[in-house]
Amino acid sequence: DAKTTQPPSMDCAEGRAANLPCNHSTISGNEYVYWYRQIHSQGPQYIIHGLKNNETNEMASLIITEDRKSSTLILPHATLRDTAVYYCIVREGDKIIFGKGTRLHILP
Amino acid sequence: EAQVTQNPRYLITVTGKKLTVTCSQNMNHEYMSWYRQDPGLGLRQIYYSMNVEATDKGDVPEGYKVSRKEKRNFPLILESPSPNQTSLYFCASSFLGIGSYEQYFGPGTRLTVT
Repeated sequence: DAKTTQPPSMDCAEGRAANLPCNHSTISGNEYVYWYRQIHSQGPQYIIHGLKNNETNEMASLIITEDRKSSTLILPHATLRDTAVYYCIVREGDKIIFGKGTRLHILP
Repeated sequence: EAQVTQNPRYLITVTGKKLTVTCSQNMNHEYMSWYRQDPGLGLRQIYYSMNVEATDKGDVPEGYKVSRKEKRNFPLILESPSPNQTSLYFCASSFLGIGSYEQYFGPGTRLTVT
């Protein structure tokens, strides 16, 4: 079973910030949270990861709660090209378990 | 260019005919993994490898074999394919070690078993 839970789908208006939540209540102290996205049936693409501090890169920001039980991926200015399935995963040692992700629809 | 390559990209075969899907990476990654993706089920890990000659089962290993004789290659073997192995397959690789390392995914192999 996936160690993360995400809403199955979300909508966001083009140009607005997309905030994608993820719950990982059983995360352990040294496990990182990773975010990937998959456009159509292409190979998933890495977006960002974090341990306990908030992180930002050229693609997105990652906000992790202080208790580390949840996180939010923020796409600051969503475009139509951000339409994809977004996966939040917690690396369970050597095994990696993807959930079903959140299908993000960007509305023009 | 750093990449993970898979071959073939598309394959249609018949039940019981052994096949191999190759995966190769040029980034000197220790960790390699195979996933399958089916509608409504997301990505599920089949097998993974921590390094040469070190492989282990993921969540759905039944009906598959892998080998890791060289660091760059991680082939997926279906000894006797069945229709329920019709799926989209992805290979991925990453570094290992202290800290965190993102996975790089290949373009996928779409397999149909009739």
